[in-house]
Amino acid sequence: TQLLEQSPQFLSIQEGENLTVYCNSSSVFSSLQWYRQEPGEGPVLLVTVVTGGEVKKLKRLTFQFGDARKDSSLHITAAQPGDTGLYLCAGVISGTYKYIFGTGTRLKVLA
Amino acid sequence: DAGITQSPRYKITETGRQVTLMCHQTWSHSYMFWYRQDLGHGLRLIYYSAAADITDKGEVPDGYVVSRSKTENFPLTLESATRSQTSVYFCASSGYGYTFGSGTRLTVV
Repeated sequence: TQLLEQSPQFLSIQEGENLTVYCNSSSVFSSLQWYRQEPGEGPVLLVTVVTGGEVKKLKRLTFQFGDARKDSSLHITAAQPGDTGLYLCAGVISGTYKYIFGTGTRLKVLA
Repeated sequence: DAGITQSPRYKITETGRQVTLMCHQTWSHSYMFWYRQDLGHGLRLIYYSAAADITDKGEVPDGYVVSRSKTENFPLTLESATRSQTSVYFCASSGYGYTFGSGTRLTVV
């Protein structure tokens, strides 16, 4: 059973557009992370959020952890072709050591 | 160089053969993991290890064996490869978040 649902699964946009990717669950997470994976490589950690309502910014990327720590979003402002890749959320279910990954959002930014 | 390295990057093997995928990390992280990544399934945990000589099953352990005699190494063995084990395999270690290797693309023919 997939406990972390990501949406959309695929996204193709033009350079300069904004986008938001969502990561949702019915479980509460003690922490949640976002990764980006480029073709032929392993996922690379972008950010970790641990506090409900937390917002973190990484240049043009804004990450938010839901107040109830069940969901998260990634917003990219003025997307660039270099943002192309597979974005994965992952988290530790609160009260467990179980770490699970979402199915990913495949983003393509066209020049 | 510090990091986590996997070998080989690509491997083609025949059904029924034994194959071992290697993983080496330089940080001395306690936790190490093996995942497989398949379209439609995302990343699925095969085995993990909390320390040398301590390993445990993940979500999809059948057909795989692991060992961890040294902290820095965590090899994954497919005892008798099957076509369903064709996948991309990632090793990871856990410090602040996971750090992944570059993966091994395994094809079983």
